[in-house]
Amino acid sequence: GENVEQHPSTLSVQEGDSAVIKCTYSDSASNYFPWYKQELGKGPQLIIDIRSNVGEKKDQRIAVTLNKTAKHFSLHITETQPEDSAVYFCAASIRGGGADGLTFGKGTHLIIQP
Amino acid sequence: DAGVTQSPTHLIKTRGQQVTLRCSPKSGHDTVSWYQQALGQGPQFIFQYYEEEERQRGNFPDRFSGHQFPNYSSELNVNALLLGDSALYLCASSPGAGGSETQYFGPGTRLLVL
Repeated sequence: GENVEQHPSTLSVQEGDSAVIKCTYSDSASNYFPWYKQELGKGPQLIIDIRSNVGEKKDQRIAVTLNKTAKHFSLHITETQPEDSAVYFCAASIRGGGADGLTFGKGTHLIIQP
Repeated sequence: DAGVTQSPTHLIKTRGQQVTLRCSPKSGHDTVSWYQQALGQGPQFIFQYYEEEERQRGNFPDRFSGHQFPNYSSELNVNALLLGDSALYLCASSPGAGGSETQYFGPGTRLLVL
């Protein structure tokens, strides 16, 4: 089955700097890659997703890039703010979105230092 | 518009007991997926229900079973509880059968097995 590796496990950046979280996946049939943000005591919240027919997607301060050849995708957060502090998870699935179970990475604890 | 709701929020059981967790999907959603999230880990896919049938299942034993009702709400049942079943149980809903839609998560039910 699919295996998703996520790095780093903890990332500390100064407020205003950029943060990058990287994930690799094992199943070349995967074609949907969402990113979720989870705050303490809450369920994961989707922040951005990308499908295999797109190499990059941007939404304000957040961007995701996908390299299907290398089976690698990354989350980029620019101009980080204190409210960006949370645990971030990458995930992958084969059929995409609602018709398929997601395989998650182990998460990255992002800490924004004031 | 209410999001995904889950009940109860917290639950304490002892080994060997059985537990039932409940989920109401977001309005307009007909597909429900269940995930188990151990402390410090990413969510793990248990199974997905669509049209009152289990459509896909992750690597979980038969002690984990589910049900979907005509109004699309769902239950997760776990029999013969083990200490290792202690986790946050997340429900996610998505719209349509097309397989291209996003999964939206509820706040979860935290289960402690003593």
